[in-house]
Amino acid sequence: DGGITQSPKYLFRKEGQNVTLSCEQNLNHDAMYWYRQDPGQGLRLIYYSQIVNDFQKGDIAEGYSVSREKKESFPLTVTSAQKNPTAFYLCASSITSGGSSYNEQFFGPGTRLTVL
Amino acid sequence: GENVEQHPSTLSVQEGDSAVIKCTYSDSASNYFPWYKQELGKRPQLIIDIRSNVGEKKDQRIAVTLNKTAKHFSLHITETQPEDSAVYFCAASRDSGYALNFGKGTSLLVTP
Repeated sequence: DGGITQSPKYLFRKEGQNVTLSCEQNLNHDAMYWYRQDPGQGLRLIYYSQIVNDFQKGDIAEGYSVSREKKESFPLTVTSAQKNPTAFYLCASSITSGGSSYNEQFFGPGTRLTVL
Repeated sequence: GENVEQHPSTLSVQEGDSAVIKCTYSDSASNYFPWYKQELGKRPQLIIDIRSNVGEKKDQRIAVTLNKTAKHFSLHITETQPEDSAVYFCAASRDSGYALNFGKGTSLLVTP
């Protein structure tokens, strides 16, 4: 899991501002995912992408946007439309075919976003 | 969509005892069931997973069982140690490339 990185580790934002969280992987994985984690809530899916230039909404996509212009990168933008953005954001990646480890998701170290 | 329920939400055991965490799922098409361990402030780490073509898998002190008919799977940790203390998440998903649906987690505390 050292091959998937997120930056920054901590992020502070004022209300009304958009902010972009970075996620990069050098594992040559096809699929990438964004999850949000709140205390006692587990991990909830925001967006995922199975291939470059394609992505799908997850369970809680409202107020978020993503892009997948490169296989290695899947940035997440938290917009001002997201009513309660303070949370721990986790990015993950996986291969989608072949081998014994398909489906296994590798997580980045996370970004803790706080709205002031 | 898939709904994964996990119990208990907290579990306290004495060192050396066993711990069992149970999960149920709703989507009969789910065929991949991983378990993650997350220490405070860190990323989830895969500890064991099972696919629907087997009923049990073991790795040293950790084992997972799957009952596809009843749509439930369980994590068993034997001879628990204080370093096993963490939050454990179960998850379920369909074919490769699909996102995981997570349970809400179990906070395990192993006391010396």
